[in-house]
Amino acid sequence: QKEVEQDPGPLSVPEGAIVSLNCTYSNSAFQYFMWYRQYSRKGPELLMYTYSSGNKEDGRFTAQVDKSSKYISLFIRDSQPSDSATYLCAMKSVQGAQKLVFGQGTRLTINP
Amino acid sequence: GAGVSQSPSNKVTEKGKDVELRCDPISGHTALYWYRQRLGQGLEFLIYFQGNSAPDKSGLPSDRFSAERTGESVSTLTIQRTQQEDSAVYLCASSFVPGSYGYTFGSGTRLTVV
Repeated sequence: QKEVEQDPGPLSVPEGAIVSLNCTYSNSAFQYFMWYRQYSRKGPELLMYTYSSGNKEDGRFTAQVDKSSKYISLFIRDSQPSDSATYLCAMKSVQGAQKLVFGQGTRLTINP
Repeated sequence: GAGVSQSPSNKVTEKGKDVELRCDPISGHTALYWYRQRLGQGLEFLIYFQGNSAPDKSGLPSDRFSAERTGESVSTLTIQRTQQEDSAVYLCASSFVPGSYGYTFGSGTRLTVV
């Protein structure tokens, strides 16, 4: 079993829809949770990060962490065609190595 | 430069040959990371540098893989006797302080072993 599970999709929604992307994890030591966006043939770029449980909002993006369920989510409101990309969740423990553990990534397409 | 620079952007090599992949981190970033991304997969950690030392090289898949870093600057990932399963995008990232979640990734080197 992978430490981090993420549905690879693909996920296709119409412009303006609310998008929900999710990851589950098995390592209870994870404390820092991140979402990266990766456009085709580009490196991942950090979108959101949260520490421990809770919600964080930034513009049209909201990240949620439920540590009791070992489940994290990213919501995109008023989705735009420019949001079409692969979204990767990533996480790390406080006392662990410097590495991030990534999910497989979900490929998202927003249709105009 | 303004971002993390990787070269070459694409590399096709024959099975059994050695390859070197280069990463130029953002100036002043002390931490440098190498990850591998196979087609349709997430990123796999390979190695982490703090300055020119590598406190964590636990992700290197085999002894065919090695990496070095000159001071707090350029890093080179070397794959010897390449195999087809080495085909992947190799991504480099750097951060100002180690452990920062604020990695900046390069665009990667797409390696194809034929």
